[in-house]
Amino acid sequence: GEDVEQSLFLSVREGDSSVINCTYTDSSSTYLYWYKQEPGAGLQLLTYIFSNMDMKQDQRLTVLLNKKDKHLSLRIADTQTGDSAIYFCAESINFNKFYFGSGTKLNVKP
Amino acid sequence: GAGVSQSPSNKVTEKGKDVELRCDPISGHTALYWYRQSLGQGLEFLIYFQGNSAPDKSGLPSDRFSAERTGGSVSTLTIQRTQQEDSAVYLCASSYDRSNTEAFFGQGTRLTVV
Repeated sequence: GEDVEQSLFLSVREGDSSVINCTYTDSSSTYLYWYKQEPGAGLQLLTYIFSNMDMKQDQRLTVLLNKKDKHLSLRIADTQTGDSAIYFCAESINFNKFYFGSGTKLNVKP
Repeated sequence: GAGVSQSPSNKVTEKGKDVELRCDPISGHTALYWYRQSLGQGLEFLIYFQGNSAPDKSGLPSDRFSAERTGGSVSTLTIQRTQQEDSAVYLCASSYDRSNTEAFFGQGTRLTVV
């Protein structure tokens, strides 16, 4: 089946940039997503990118897609303690379902 | 409310009992998805509904799991004869239609089988 992989942990200092990486295996993905899960809360859609785009910027968030390497990244500029959460990468194929990575736990130290 | 609503938020059940989990999608959303997240694992797809029909049931882990959706709205996920390995957070999501890019998630039901 489809495989989406992420590193499990990332620790940064407040004010630094965070880069969360994700790799996926299915080249027929149409959309790729980043979700945020704060403790005790449901998933929150942060941003998504269509597979024919290379980059998408939304305020402090920058998504980079390297379709050749099947690599997706999320950069958070000026990381704040409120950004501490688990970040899930996901891909959608034919819009029937979403395949998620296991999540990257971002820890922001003051 | 305006979001996806799931109930109960927490459920503790004895091994062997049946449980029903409910999902109330965003009004007007025709596509509905069930996932589960076990401790330390990523999200696992269970089933997808378009309207009342379920074109993709491939993720249901065993025949103890079933789901239905009536009236194109509320969905119920039923787990019969629960086992300890069923313990997980069960998440529901909905989107406007099958081709919609965004899926909105509920807060999940935390199921603990003791």
